[in-house]
Amino acid sequence: RKEVEQDPGPFNVPEGATVAFNCTYSNSASQSFFWYRQDCRKEPKLLMSVYSSGNEDGRFTAQLNRASQYISLLIRDSKLSDSATYLCAVNVHGGYNKLIFGAGTRLAVHP
Amino acid sequence: AAGVIQSPRHLIKEKRETATLKCYPIPRHDTVYWYQQGPGQDPQFLISFYEKMQSDKGSIPDRFSAQQFSDYHSELNMSSLELGDSALYFCASSSENEQYFGPGTRLTVT
Repeated sequence: RKEVEQDPGPFNVPEGATVAFNCTYSNSASQSFFWYRQDCRKEPKLLMSVYSSGNEDGRFTAQLNRASQYISLLIRDSKLSDSATYLCAVNVHGGYNKLIFGAGTRLAVHP
Repeated sequence: AAGVIQSPRHLIKEKRETATLKCYPIPRHDTVYWYQQGPGQDPQFLISFYEKMQSDKGSIPDRFSAQQFSDYHSELNMSSLELGDSALYFCASSSENEQYFGPGTRLTVT
C-alpha cells in the first residue's frame, strides 16, 4: 500500500462545477500537508499548504482530517484553466524533510 | 519573484555515460531537494541538503551522487547511465516548510 493515496480520476467536469479530491495518508505522525498542481511535463506548483483549521484561497479550499488521516481539496466554479493533475504531498517528519506524493488526480474541465 | 533554476533543461545521453544536473535555489533558501519523476509516475525523493550537508536520502542509486556548494547551488551527478534513468529530474528549494520546484531537467538515455 502506498503511503499517500489518491483517486487517479480522471474527473471530467463542466465549467462552473464544484469538484472535490481526497487524499489519504498512512503515517499518523505526518506533520505537514500540501496540494500541488502539475501540468503535463511541467514542474509541480504549490497550490496550498493544508492546515488543521482548514484554509481557503479564492475558489480553492483545503481541509485536513487528522483523525481519519485524509486531506481534501475543493475547487469551486471550475475554469478551463484548472485542468491539470493535482498531487497531494505529505511531509512525515516536518521541517526540512522529503515530500511523499500521491499518484495525482487528473482533472479535465470542459466547456 | 525569483524561482528555482535548473540546467540543462533537456539532456540526451547514451547508456553508460555520465550526466551532471545543476540546481540554483531561490535566493535565501538553504535547503535543496532532488526528485525523480518517471513517465506517468509521481515524483520520488532522491536526496536533500541543508546548509551544504546531506539531510535526507531516499531511493537514490549508488551510481548517483550529489552535493550542495557554498553558494547553495546543488549538482546531481549520475554515472553509468541506464535506460531506466530516463525521467524528469526536479530540484526543489525551501527556507521553511514549503518546497518550490524548478522546471526540471528532462533526461533521455538512449
